Amino acid sequence: DTEVTQTPKHLVMGMTNKKSLKCEQHMGHRAMYWYKQKAKKPPELMFVYSYEKLSINESVPSRFSPECPNSSLLNLHLHALQPEDSALYLCASSQEGGSSYNEQFFGPGTRLTVL
Amino acid sequence: GNSVTQMEGPVTLSEEAFLTINCTYTATGYPSLFWYVQYPGEGLQLLLKATKADDKGSNKGFEATYRKETTSFHLEKGSVQVSDSAVYFCALRDGGATNKLIFGTGTLLAVQP
Repeated sequence: DTEVTQTPKHLVMGMTNKKSLKCEQHMGHRAMYWYKQKAKKPPELMFVYSYEKLSINESVPSRFSPECPNSSLLNLHLHALQPEDSALYLCASSQEGGSSYNEQFFGPGTRLTVL
Repeated sequence: GNSVTQMEGPVTLSEEAFLTINCTYTATGYPSLFWYVQYPGEGLQLLLKATKADDKGSNKGFEATYRKETTSFHLEKGSVQVSDSAVYFCALRDGGATNKLIFGTGTLLAVQP
């Protein structure tokens, strides 16, 4: 299995809602990533988990809360979002160890719309 | 800091034309270099990679050579198809243990029949 899956595919939420994005991989990867991609822009890194511990937080607002319950799962909890948070949210995973061969495998993304 | 510069798009070509998308980078050391492709409405797929100078990455008819002397990693394909229409991102792996990817701005390729 060389796939990263993400659910839901689309999500529409109000500014007072609480929702979660889910990402799953079964490649035995120990590093997982959340990216945010606005239209016609490259992905921007948000968070990195390494061996289920948060290793990078790119100064992301606290209304985004990541969680890594186990080595295969990565969640992104959303609360009190703003319309400008509407974007494609991409999950990725890779092997760990600092090797130059650690390519990242991306999921199809969740398209989030905040009303 | 490390950065990637890609040619501005969109690039519009007829089917079977030759493709070049330029990518140059600024980095300390010898970063790994990647090309990712994003088809409409989808996530990113790794197209090819190179991990050291003079390496040539290739996949699905696309090629790119890691040129240290010109700090470039240009993407080429000899004969494009309509199905190659997508956004192409050049990226480098940042140094250290974080495996952080730094992306270029992306280049939209539109291939017309």
